[in-house]
Amino acid sequence: DVKVTQSSRYLVKRTGEKVFLECVQDMDHENMFWYRQDPGLGLRLIYFSYDVKMKEKGDIPEGYSVSREKKERFSLILESASTNQTSMYLCASSLDGLDEAFFGQGTRLTVV
Amino acid sequence: GIQVEQSPPDLILQEGANSTLRCNFSDSVNNLQWFHQNPWGQLINLFYIPSGTKQNGRLSATTVATERYSLLYISSSQTTDSGVYFCAVPNSGGYQKVTFGTGTKLQVIP
Repeated sequence: DVKVTQSSRYLVKRTGEKVFLECVQDMDHENMFWYRQDPGLGLRLIYFSYDVKMKEKGDIPEGYSVSREKKERFSLILESASTNQTSMYLCASSLDGLDEAFFGQGTRLTVV
Repeated sequence: GIQVEQSPPDLILQEGANSTLRCNFSDSVNNLQWFHQNPWGQLINLFYIPSGTKQNGRLSATTVATERYSLLYISSSQTTDSGVYFCAVPNSGGYQKVTFGTGTKLQVIP
């Protein structure tokens, strides 16, 4: 069965902390994605990666960075968390750009 | 970029009722997905349907790519169908990017 796993379901961090959100997929997919979801704004793409060590900015990359050292793992990094980064974060993967995408269970991050 | 609109934005159904959700998109697409976001936030794949019709139990979907719309049918709705339904299509400008629709929030009441 297809599986995308995010490291935490709920996370509370303090302003200024460095935050790591981890995502692992077991489907040998080339593409991995990070989205954030906010009420009224829908899902917005932060970053995506189409290969190991490759990354591309999405629509809202400011304040975030990513790391993909291994094919199965894609990390989202908040270098210095701020309250406006309180959100639902969703990781996804797909075999290639036009293929079916699968999502993790989501991480609800609260920055206080 | 491509625009994706869903209707209706909100829907309340009595358990057992049928419904049709619509997804309109502004440009031609070569794939389309339907997702159900459950109350805990997870996006569950329902259909990957670039064209034609697919059925899975009480749910079915039809995409008419030439007319730029897709429909999701829910029959004999159950309370567990509650949540938000999204359609998603690839961006014309970059194949790795996907644009999500605005969503339909469905509440099924007993």
